[in-house]
Amino acid sequence: AQSVAQPEDQVNVAEGNPLTVKCTYSVSGNPYLFWYVQYPNRGLQFLLKYITGDNLVKGSYGFEAEFNKSQTSFHLKKPSALVSDSALYFCAVRDSSGAGSYQLTFGKGTKLSVIP
Amino acid sequence: NAGVTQTPKFRILKIGQSMTLQCTQDMNHNYMYWYRQDPGMGLKLIYYSVGAGITDKGEVPNGYNVSRSTTEDFPLRLELAAPSQTSVYFCASTTGFSDTQYFGPGTRLTVL
Repeated sequence: AQSVAQPEDQVNVAEGNPLTVKCTYSVSGNPYLFWYVQYPNRGLQFLLKYITGDNLVKGSYGFEAEFNKSQTSFHLKKPSALVSDSALYFCAVRDSSGAGSYQLTFGKGTKLSVIP
Repeated sequence: NAGVTQTPKFRILKIGQSMTLQCTQDMNHNYMYWYRQDPGMGLKLIYYSVGAGITDKGEVPNGYNVSRSTTEDFPLRLELAAPSQTSVYFCASTTGFSDTQYFGPGTRLTVL
């Protein structure tokens, strides 16, 4: 079975400060990891993913995430937060050895609030 | 490309009524998914399809049905609406090769 934990329901950060949204995962094989963002009353938008290769993944809107296999983590980061980054962020995982349905398991989401 | 489209955007149902949530994608994706999103609970997979004519249950399928007669369309049917089905429903699709799922804008359903 695969699972994702986002330990923080909400993260508050001042505009211009670095931000981190945490994610840990559990899979039996190798993980495929994703971050999505949801703005109010909108669908989820893809930010970035880790499949293989470099542990530091760069994505849309200046976001990046670091894959850490030993800590089973995939934290989302941005060097300088913008008020427009305020949204709900979801981490998701798929076991690379799973059957061919490409199902993702999502975390419960972390609400990011960037304070002007 | 319109991507993934969903209709309706909003709907209020009475207990026991039925309805179909429509989902269409124009990206020729084989894999399609239905999720429900409840506050603080993330997204739960209801049903998915790996191609036309092939569907399977996800984590929370009770009270729902799906069909996949074409690559483009993946409707979700609620037969006897219950208050527990009040939620926001999202449809998504992917090629499978990239693993990136593309989401529709959602349908907000209230059952009273």
